[in-house]
Amino acid sequence: SQKIEQNSEALNIQEGKTATLTCNYTNYSPAYLQWYRQDPGRGPVFLLLIRENEKEKRKERLKVTFDTTLKQSLFHITASQPADSATYLCALPYSGAGSYQLTFGKGTKLSVIP
Amino acid sequence: EAGVTQFPSHSVIEKGQTVTLRCDPISGHDNLYWYRRVMGKEIKFLLHFVKESKQDESGMPNNRFLAERTGGTYSTLKVQPAELEDSGVYFCASSQDRTGDLFEQYFGPGTRLTVT
Repeated sequence: SQKIEQNSEALNIQEGKTATLTCNYTNYSPAYLQWYRQDPGRGPVFLLLIRENEKEKRKERLKVTFDTTLKQSLFHITASQPADSATYLCALPYSGAGSYQLTFGKGTKLSVIP
Repeated sequence: EAGVTQFPSHSVIEKGQTVTLRCDPISGHDNLYWYRRVMGKEIKFLLHFVKESKQDESGMPNNRFLAERTGGTYSTLKVQPAELEDSGVYFCASSQDRTGDLFEQYFGPGTRLTVT
């Protein structure tokens, strides 16, 4: 079955540094991969989507890479700020039975220390 | 534009009782999804509606769960009778279309269900 692993449950970094989160997956060849942000008591919020033919995608201070050979995506937040503290989720689409359900990793809780 | 809304935000019921969760998707979104997060686990898919039709219900845990989407607008998820293992946060999400670039899903705040 498909499996998604995010490198660590928690990551603490100093404000201003670059945070790097890892998402590895197995038994799957997704057409794209998504990253979501989740704050306590709220639902996930979409951040970025990267397609299998894209190596890298950027949005403001966010950068995502996608290596289909390694079956890995890296999510970077540059010049991190305390407001970036949240749980970040990696999600893959499962296109079975005409559905586009998402399969999520457990998430990495990022804490940016002032 | 209003986002996805869910009601109630929190529900505490006893084992054996019935609970109905409601989701109002973003207006105009044909696709509606239900997900659940059990404590300590990842968010897992339950089912997917396209308008009023169930497109995929492969994630529904058992026949104690019944989902409906009246007229292709809001959706309800009924658990009857509730068991302890049904406790968790139930998320609803909607999306506009499966084609093109419109793959992102918009999530509601979730309903926290506690079965005692």
